Amino acid sequence: GAGVSQSPSNKVTEKGKDVELRCDPISGHTALYWYRQSLGQGLEFLIYFQGNSAPDKSGLPSDRFSAERTGGSVSTLTIQRTQQEDSAVYLCASSPSGGSTDTQYFGPGTRLTVL
Amino acid sequence: AQRVTQPEKLLSVFKGAPVELKCNYSYSGSPELFWYVQYSRQRLQLLLRHISRESIKGFTADLNKGETSFHLKKPFAQEEDSAMYYCALSRQGAQKLVFGQGTRLTINP
Repeated sequence: GAGVSQSPSNKVTEKGKDVELRCDPISGHTALYWYRQSLGQGLEFLIYFQGNSAPDKSGLPSDRFSAERTGGSVSTLTIQRTQQEDSAVYLCASSPSGGSTDTQYFGPGTRLTVL
Repeated sequence: AQRVTQPEKLLSVFKGAPVELKCNYSYSGSPELFWYVQYSRQRLQLLLRHISRESIKGFTADLNKGETSFHLKKPFAQEEDSAMYYCALSRQGAQKLVFGQGTRLTINP
């Protein structure tokens, strides 16, 4: 079956521009997660969705970052007024139910470069 | 706060030799622990989790609550084991994973 997909695979933008990153989870997975992978910071949690609700947004680094999920499926991570420190690989994952023992299935990531 | 430490950024061993990737965690409750692996040009994927007490691709990991460790071991390394390995923790009732910094394992022929 199809795994988690993300688009675009690469995004180059100029400082100050807004960007949108998209994630399509595995069909039927109610839980969706965004992580960021950057040099020196490793893999950091950003936000967790259960259905269309986000009960844990504790990892969003600033109010320039927001995310939504619609129809319990596709999610979009938006970064406003991008900064160079936002350059990273943004990973999306989904899991069947969001339990702490769930396997999280990761997408290929979106590599964001802010010039 | 929970923390996961992987003390070795790089680890290199010869094919056929034993390999151990170290992972220590700090968490006052009962954690759920995982090893995720990322092979070259592939996505991050689950290797194994402590609750399943399984052996995957010859790898095992034992949770040692006294030492707060979850080291990954394989008795005889193979070249295809070369990859980036991440230890991760989730706390009971939570969903997010807290990752270590990762260890890049290289198996030399």
